[in-house]
Amino acid sequence: ILNVEQSPQSLHVQEGDSTNFTCSFPSSNFYALHWYRWETAKSPEALFVMTLNGDEKKKGRISATLNTKEGYSYLYIKGSQPEDSATYLCALLSSNTGKLIFGQGTTLQVKP
Amino acid sequence: ETGVTQSPTHLIKTRGQQVTLRCSSQSGHNTVSWYQQALGQGPQFIFQYYREEENGRGNFPPRFSGLQFPNYSSELNVNALELDDSALYLCASSLRTAITLDTQYFGPGTRLTVL
Repeated sequence: ILNVEQSPQSLHVQEGDSTNFTCSFPSSNFYALHWYRWETAKSPEALFVMTLNGDEKKKGRISATLNTKEGYSYLYIKGSQPEDSATYLCALLSSNTGKLIFGQGTTLQVKP
Repeated sequence: ETGVTQSPTHLIKTRGQQVTLRCSSQSGHNTVSWYQQALGQGPQFIFQYYREEENGRGNFPPRFSGLQFPNYSSELNVNALELDDSALYLCASSLRTAITLDTQYFGPGTRLTVL
């Protein structure tokens, strides 16, 4: 059974702080990794789809890196703002199942 | 806004009943996937439909079934509801299938409570 782990489970930071969280996954059968941001009462919003070892993607103040050999991805938020408060989900697309396997998410709360 | 809608927003049922949840995908998206998110967990894959045919299934019993229609709408049906079926149900549409790396666009979910 493939397992995707995210840490920490929750995080509280002050406005302006930079922060990062981790998504760990089994490196075998890797096909792609998806990151989503999910604000309360809204739909999960796609951030990145990452496929290549060493990939680095950026969207505004948010960036992500990928290491498929050791099985982890980091999501970074530079200068957190209250509107960044959300749950951040990563999901592994496994080559032999073709389905997304989600982690349990990291919930970020940014205090003004 | 992802352009994916779900109905109803909330639903309360009793054990043993049947329920139908609905999803309207983005126009042109041939694939819809359904997920169950129990409290404190990440979404769990239920199944995926591509052009009205089931295209992959997670570890859910046969009482979870689905339909996809030519007008980009779909249904998730659950028979013989159990207390553990209480969860948020999400649908997500994509242009082709997940294996092709297409972004999945999620709806806001239906919160099902089974009493």
